[in-house]
Amino acid sequence: KAGVTQTPRYLIKTRGQQVTLSCSPISGHRSVSWYQQTPGQGLQFLFEYFSETQRNKGNFPGRFSGRQFSNSRSEMNVSTLELGDSALYLCASSLGSSAFTDTQYFGPGTRLTVL
Amino acid sequence: AQTVTQSQPEMSVQEAETVTLSCTYDTSESDYYLFWYKQPPSRQMILVIRQEAYKQQNATENRFSVNFQKAAKSFSLKISDSQLGDAAMYFCAYKDTGNQFYFGTGTSLTVIP
Repeated sequence: KAGVTQTPRYLIKTRGQQVTLSCSPISGHRSVSWYQQTPGQGLQFLFEYFSETQRNKGNFPGRFSGRQFSNSRSEMNVSTLELGDSALYLCASSLGSSAFTDTQYFGPGTRLTVL
Repeated sequence: AQTVTQSQPEMSVQEAETVTLSCTYDTSESDYYLFWYKQPPSRQMILVIRQEAYKQQNATENRFSVNFQKAAKSFSLKISDSQLGDAAMYFCAYKDTGNQFYFGTGTSLTVIP
């Protein structure tokens, strides 16, 4: 099976712009979660989509939004970029159940730099 | 909200030696799952080992094992016979029954040849 893919891998934007990141989960996975990773902060949960619905949401401002399509692919959008949004954005997919064996598989991430 | 704490930002170990990475968590739930993930430099995060909270027996995966102390809310990772390829950032994670994951801030492990 192909793994989780994220595009683009690297992105440079300027303050005030908006950006859209894409994530394609493992085939058969219905849950996609997004995380922001910065040095010293670890992984901070942004939101989870399951079957095209946002099921869980972290504590991020409304500038961060996402959506999921019927094929489970997900996009994350950040509007009005700030310097502090520079980070590695990770996407993780899973079956989406609460079963023990259902764990998250991560993509390689998108490195966003805001200038 | 659940919190996961990794109190060791950096650790180092001699090749072939054993190292233990610490993780504590805070929860009021009785049913949950715990994980250790490894993120090598510039590479993808991968699952190392996982543990069900209602299982007393500690999980083991080859050279990786955990010491799960439910009452103390502690979940440490032991790496035996450390290899150069074990050098990575290690993240402890907690998964609740709503399928939400909570991650610690990570421990950077250096393996000294």
